[in-house]
Amino acid sequence: DAEITQSPRHKITETGRQVTLACHQTWNHNNMFWYRQDLGHGLRLIHYSYGVQDTNKGEVSDGYSVSRSNTEDLPLTLESAASSQTSVYFCASSPYKNTEAFFGQGTRLTVV
Amino acid sequence: QQQVKQSPQSLIVQKGGIPIINCAYENTAFDYFPWYQQFPGKGPALLIAIRPDVSEKKEGRFTISFNKSAKQFSLHIMDSQPGDSATYFCAALLGGSARQLTFGSGTQLTVLP
Repeated sequence: DAEITQSPRHKITETGRQVTLACHQTWNHNNMFWYRQDLGHGLRLIHYSYGVQDTNKGEVSDGYSVSRSNTEDLPLTLESAASSQTSVYFCASSPYKNTEAFFGQGTRLTVV
Repeated sequence: QQQVKQSPQSLIVQKGGIPIINCAYENTAFDYFPWYQQFPGKGPALLIAIRPDVSEKKEGRFTISFNKSAKQFSLHIMDSQPGDSATYFCAALLGGSARQLTFGSGTQLTVLP
C-alpha cells in the first residue's frame, strides 16, 4: 500500500547541531508539506513544495530548510537546532489539485 | 494574517452526548473546510470536509454545519463513543494555486464511558 513515512520517530539533539528529518511518500504526490505541532498552536506550516525543485516558505520557516530533488522525498533540515524547535514535526502530501492531505506519523524532536 | 480560530480547547462529554466544536475564519477566499482527527502518537487524518456552498454535511455520526455569512463552521459528533476521544482540528484551504491548509489550534475531546 502507498504510504508516507517519517524518520526518525524520536530524536534528541543538542543546541547548535544540524538535524535532518526525513519524509518519504510512495503515492507519487506532487505536493508535500512540513508542519510543526505545539500545544495551543495546532499545526503550523514550515515549508512546502509543489514539485521537484520547488520549495516555498511557510508561516514559521525561520531556522528550517527543505530541498526537493525527487517526487518521493522532502527532507527538513534544522540548520542550528534551538530549544524553541523542540516540537512534533509532521510531514504531509497531497495529489496535484486535490484537497486532502495525508499525514505521516510524526517525529518528536527534543533539543537540549 | 490568515487565521482559523477554534474553540473550545478541551471538551469532556459522557458517552452518547453530542460534543460540538466551533471554528471561525476571517479570509473569505477560503474555499474548502476539512476536519482532521488525531489519536495520540498518530498523524492527523481527514474526518470530513465541506465547501462553502453547502450549509451542512453528514458522514455517519459526524456532521459539519457551515454558516457562510457568519464565517463560522462547527463539527457535531452524534452519539459520541469513548473511541471518539481524540484531538480534532478544523482547517481551511485557500482557493487558487496556493493549496495550503491553515489549521485551528485543536480541541482535545474526551468521551467518558
